[in-house]
Amino acid sequence: EAQVTQNPRYLITVTGKKLTVTCSQNMNHEYMSWYRQDPGLGLRQIYYSMNVEVTDKGDVPEGYKVSRKEKRNFPLILESPSPNQTSLYFCASSLSLAAPVETQYFGPGTRLLVL
Amino acid sequence: QKEVEQDPGPLSVPEGAIVSLNCTYSNSAFQYFMWYRQYSRKGPELLMYTYSSGNKEDGRFTAQVDKSSKYISLFIRDSQPSDSATYLCATTWIGGSQGNLIFGKGTKLSVKP
Repeated sequence: EAQVTQNPRYLITVTGKKLTVTCSQNMNHEYMSWYRQDPGLGLRQIYYSMNVEVTDKGDVPEGYKVSRKEKRNFPLILESPSPNQTSLYFCASSLSLAAPVETQYFGPGTRLLVL
Repeated sequence: QKEVEQDPGPLSVPEGAIVSLNCTYSNSAFQYFMWYRQYSRKGPELLMYTYSSGNKEDGRFTAQVDKSSKYISLFIRDSQPSDSATYLCATTWIGGSQGNLIFGKGTKLSVKP
């Protein structure tokens, strides 16, 4: 089954404690991205990756890092989380940046609370 | 002005009603228009997409784009309780690149049995 998986699904942490949210896809997709979803603000892109070792900033990259060492994995790293990073995070993947939108899949989401 | 405006609702309708969900956008360069459905505790899933103006129908769902007024609509006929979800409109420039997707804030729909 084609899918994007994220772990953990729920996370409560404290300010300043480094954390990583993993994302993995089993569709051999080139393009992967991270979004955050906040009430009243909608979905906003944090970072994206067009292929292995190729990443770039989205609309709201401050406070986040990513890496793409393998095609299937695209972890999101919060080096020093702050309360304003409390949000619902989605990983997404698609065939390629230029591929039709119908090839895009979203993960189930990770709900993060930073105290 | 936000690039895509969408009334967040919530919208509550009885089962069987016709539902109209709407977005407006500001950038005339947008060419692809998408509707995503997001169930509670799930990620968004692509429901329908259209290119440029016109209508597209898929079962009970019709997506409509009016580029002259920069207005995007999703109509749901014979709405069912299983249609209860948040609906997100999205748009992008020509080429349909996901890297440039601009999302509306989403409208929460509840269909009552």
